[in-house]
Amino acid sequence: EVQLVESGGGLVQPGGSLRLSCEASGFMFSAFWMNWVRQAPGKGLEWVANINEDGSDKKYVDSVKGRFTISRDNAERSVFLEMNSLRIEDTAVYYCVKTLRGSQLGVDYWGQGTLVTVSS
Amino acid sequence: DLQLTQSPSTLSASVGDTVSITCRASQDVSKWLAWYQQKPGKAPNLLIFEASVLLTGVPLRFSGSGFGTEFTLTISSLQPDDFATYYCQQYTDYPATFGQGTKVEIK
Repeated sequence: EVQLVESGGGLVQPGGSLRLSCEASGFMFSAFWMNWVRQAPGKGLEWVANINEDGSDKKYVDSVKGRFTISRDNAERSVFLEMNSLRIEDTAVYYCVKTLRGSQLGVDYWGQGTLVTVSS
Repeated sequence: DLQLTQSPSTLSASVGDTVSITCRASQDVSKWLAWYQQKPGKAPNLLIFEASVLLTGVPLRFSGSGFGTEFTLTISSLQPDDFATYYCQQYTDYPATFGQGTKVEIK
């Protein structure tokens, strides 16, 4: 059974930093691109970033470029999202999401999400 | 960025009804479109990928159709468990984008 468990969310002041983690199990982690998708309170879904199988290729939505960094550790079956210079508009539930086989952006399994609140 | 527009935004229906949700893309996405179901406080669940391929385990009352710029999610014989918000997503180009969502409510 595929499981994705996020952690690291919390309350942070504008300009602050947080590191989200996602631990995966139930599938061959090193064979899949991994994504982060977020959802602001009461709003729709927004793709944030993804990373290829060996961590050598990373892509970001324009609004987080230069502030967020995605990484992975295949030995630990984990993917991370380092978030710096956080803004109020980054407040959202952040989901770790596994891709469909052979896809970079098509996703199937989602974690339960971790809430990031940026507020003074 | 490629825009996806869902209609309607809200849909009121009764158990047993057949309902359809439309997703229109601002550019051709070929078959690279997925549909998700989300319930309050929960993560989305994939229903359909490649426009019409049902994920294993998803009830057969869900079906998807379309190609290019116009797509449809149909739910036949709506069940109580189907009242939720539905999103389409294109995954042909960066950034991946989602429709704004369609809330299916009990009439």
